[in-house]
Amino acid sequence: DADVTQTPRNRITKTGKRIMLECSQTKGHDRMYWYRQDPGLGLRLIYYSFDVKDINKGEISDGYSVSRQAQAKFSLSLESAIPNQTALYFCATSDSDWGTEAFFGQGTRLTVV
Amino acid sequence: AQSVTQPDIHITVSEGASLELRCNYSYGATPYLFWYVQSPGQGLQLLLKYFSGDTLVQGIKGFEAEFKRSQSSFNLRKPSVHWSDAAEYFCILSFSNTGKLIFGQGTTLQVKP
Repeated sequence: DADVTQTPRNRITKTGKRIMLECSQTKGHDRMYWYRQDPGLGLRLIYYSFDVKDINKGEISDGYSVSRQAQAKFSLSLESAIPNQTALYFCATSDSDWGTEAFFGQGTRLTVV
Repeated sequence: AQSVTQPDIHITVSEGASLELRCNYSYGATPYLFWYVQSPGQGLQLLLKYFSGDTLVQGIKGFEAEFKRSQSSFNLRKPSVHWSDAAEYFCILSFSNTGKLIFGQGTTLQVKP
């Protein structure tokens, strides 16, 4: 089984719909992250969480919200999807020690039409 | 401000040829630096990392990288490229105890037979 699992892997939704992307990890890490990938821009941080009670905005949080349901689960919601949120979304987790490796899920390809 | 630049968006090399992917960073102190690879349809996998010590770092799959403080560079190298190395490569900076990562734009490697 993968260390970081994202569901769904692919999703097409309509403008204005609410959609949730889910992430679960088996690494036992406290820190979890949501990134989006756009061609030529690398990955950009949407939200991050240091533990269940600590959630922080990243550089591009507008239009997104998150929920940390448990240490192992971190979900990303688009309250009202718009076409420019079409992207590849990655969940990641890391240990609390600075500079440790981040483990990434396989990504969710979201298309908003 | 902290930043990572990968000057080459696309690189094509012949199988068996040597490879060097460039990475330059901007940060006021000693950073954590990583190279990750993203194969088509896959998540990101760690190739190697550097924080301190020996400036030549060995990674998986025959890759190595050299940290040069005077040039603010962390270039990735491989002496002989295999067709399976075709992928997108990201140079990443971790600059604080938040574990937040700053991504370069990525370099797509194409391998010719």
